Amino acid sequence: AQKVTQAQTEISVVEKEDVTLDCVYETRDTTYYLFWYKQPPSGELVFLIRRNSFDEQNEISGRYSWNFQKSTSSFNFTITASQVVDSAVYFCALSEAFRGDDKIIFGKGTRLHILP
Amino acid sequence: DGGITQSPKYLFRKEGQNVTLSCEQNLNHDAMYWYRQDPGQGLRLIYYSQIVNDFQKGDIAEGYSVSREKKESFPLTVTSAQKNPTAFYLCASSADRVYGYTFGSGTRLTVV
Repeated sequence: AQKVTQAQTEISVVEKEDVTLDCVYETRDTTYYLFWYKQPPSGELVFLIRRNSFDEQNEISGRYSWNFQKSTSSFNFTITASQVVDSAVYFCALSEAFRGDDKIIFGKGTRLHILP
Repeated sequence: DGGITQSPKYLFRKEGQNVTLSCEQNLNHDAMYWYRQDPGQGLRLIYYSQIVNDFQKGDIAEGYSVSREKKESFPLTVTSAQKNPTAFYLCASSADRVYGYTFGSGTRLTVV
């Protein structure tokens, strides 16, 4: 069965430190998509990145980077030189290409506190 | 600008009353979803709809009802049968799940 595990419930780091949020997924499909969303205190989930199962290249966007490793079924998210504005809940999610419905499976989220 | 509008942002109701949360999208997305989020918790799927006039129960549908009469609109009614309705409710839409979801800004419902 498909599943997304974010083992870190809550993380606190001091501003300017690097932090990595872990995401481990389970799927039987060979074609699937992985996502990260950010939920700031305002509540709306903001899309950060989408990655398909055939593209294992790591991605960097400013201070954000993502490490996709199919061998360990992980899609980890690193924030470099963290800032207070990075404080939020971060969700990892999985979409299987051949599901009969249109559902995306979300992890339970990791609450990140960046301390000034 | 295209997006999803949820209204109202905050809603207060007395126990035993039904209440309807609005969700409207102008993204021309076929699929729409309702999620519930409790403090410190993840997202739990209430209902979803892949096409007009059709919808499916999610993981926690009891005490809720929906309708999908128009592509743009997917209102959620929290009925008096819902035991613990106080929560944050998020609506989302999708053109295709491979592209992910677009979320609204949420409605915080408090039942007193």
